[in-house]
Amino acid sequence: AQSVTQPDIHITVSEGASLELRCNYSYGATPYLFWYVQSPGQGLQLLLKYFSGDTLVQGIKGFEAEFKRSQSSFNLRKPSVHWSDAAEYFCAVGAGGFQKLVFGTGTRLLVSP
Amino acid sequence: NAGVTQTPKFQVLKTGQSMTLQCAQDMNHNSMYWYRQDPGMGLRLIYYSASEGTTDKGEVPNGYNVSRLNKREFSLRLESAAPSQTSVYFCASSVKKVVRGSRVTNEKLFFGSGTQLSVL
Repeated sequence: AQSVTQPDIHITVSEGASLELRCNYSYGATPYLFWYVQSPGQGLQLLLKYFSGDTLVQGIKGFEAEFKRSQSSFNLRKPSVHWSDAAEYFCAVGAGGFQKLVFGTGTRLLVSP
Repeated sequence: NAGVTQTPKFQVLKTGQSMTLQCAQDMNHNSMYWYRQDPGMGLRLIYYSASEGTTDKGEVPNGYNVSRLNKREFSLRLESAAPSQTSVYFCASSVKKVVRGSRVTNEKLFFGSGTQLSVL
């Protein structure tokens, strides 16, 4: 069965600084990979996804992620963080049929002035 | 654009009480899902419905039942609530995408805003 690990529970970044959120997955074949963002009191919103092809994917709100098969990783990056990016971020992996989307435990991003 | 609508937004139950969480989507999606979100555990799939008339168990189905009433609506029922079911519940629907020849995956999940349920 597939699984996702997000090793950082909380991350604090200064506004304007760069950001990298880590995600490692476990799955025997090439997975489908996603990043979702959750603002307080809201449901999750898709930031970006990887299915195949170019391993660097661009998403909404200036986010990007890179699929590295050799490291089983799909880290999320943003070059300059804005205060509005403060939220919880979830990495997810889909495999074995589209219903089986497994989420990580999330990383809460705090943005300091 | 309503998207995915969940009701109620908040609910407090006593142990043993029953209730139904309602979910409706207006995007003509075939697939719908119920997740629960607990601190430090991310989102876990309770039940899903790949299409109208079908339902299947997810990762944590015990203590829950579901009904896919029609293409728009997917309800989650707690027959006898327990404190362990205190959680935030999310309904979602999805668009399918065919990739890599014939494999099908979710292109995107659309989430409702959640129901905060407390069982005392």
